[in-house]
Amino acid sequence: EAGVAQSPRYKIIEKRQSVAFWCNPISGHATLYWYQQILGQGPKLLIQFQNNGVVDDSQLPKDRFSAERLKGVDSTLKIQPAKLEDSAVYLCASSLVGSTNTGELFFGEGSRLTVL
Amino acid sequence: GIQVEQSPPDLILQEGANSTLRCNFSDSVNNLQWFHQNPWGQLINLFYIPSGTKQNGRLSATTVATERYSLLYISSSQTTDSGVYFCAVAFSGGYNKLIFGAGTRLAVHP
Repeated sequence: EAGVAQSPRYKIIEKRQSVAFWCNPISGHATLYWYQQILGQGPKLLIQFQNNGVVDDSQLPKDRFSAERLKGVDSTLKIQPAKLEDSAVYLCASSLVGSTNTGELFFGEGSRLTVL
Repeated sequence: GIQVEQSPPDLILQEGANSTLRCNFSDSVNNLQWFHQNPWGQLINLFYIPSGTKQNGRLSATTVATERYSLLYISSSQTTDSGVYFCAVAFSGGYNKLIFGAGTRLAVHP
């Protein structure tokens, strides 16, 4: 079974530029998550989708970050304009169930962003 | 507020030693997972264990949900066990939103 796919693996941009990350979850997984992991810290949830609806985006900096999951499958996370503090690894995860039910999360390899 | 605390923050072992990592959480949970983050940054699923005990080779985990803690045991450690171990929980009444602890950084020396 294929895992969670992410691209690109690495991206270097200058501040104020824009960047987009793509994620394809495990087939059949209804719930998709984007996490941000800053060096030396645990991952922090940015946004959670159930199918193509947003369940939680309380920690997403909406003035510069946006995410969509138009057909309930793959997802794109965009940052515009980027700031130095956005340098981090962006992790995508998926789970079979969501809502108030439990479900094991599986993570992709991550997209490492460096903002200069 | 909601908290996930891991201890110890850092651990250095000689190859072959055993260790116990602890995760305390502040409320009842629907989901608890242990991950190993390898040097390339990927999060590897170790256990999905909201309650009870599981074993997988040299690793085992126990979650006592009523007392709000989980333990990860590593026996006969190997250098490949090095990395960061994260505990993550989803609290009851939420949306299966995993909240991560700060991690335990493990270094196993030959």
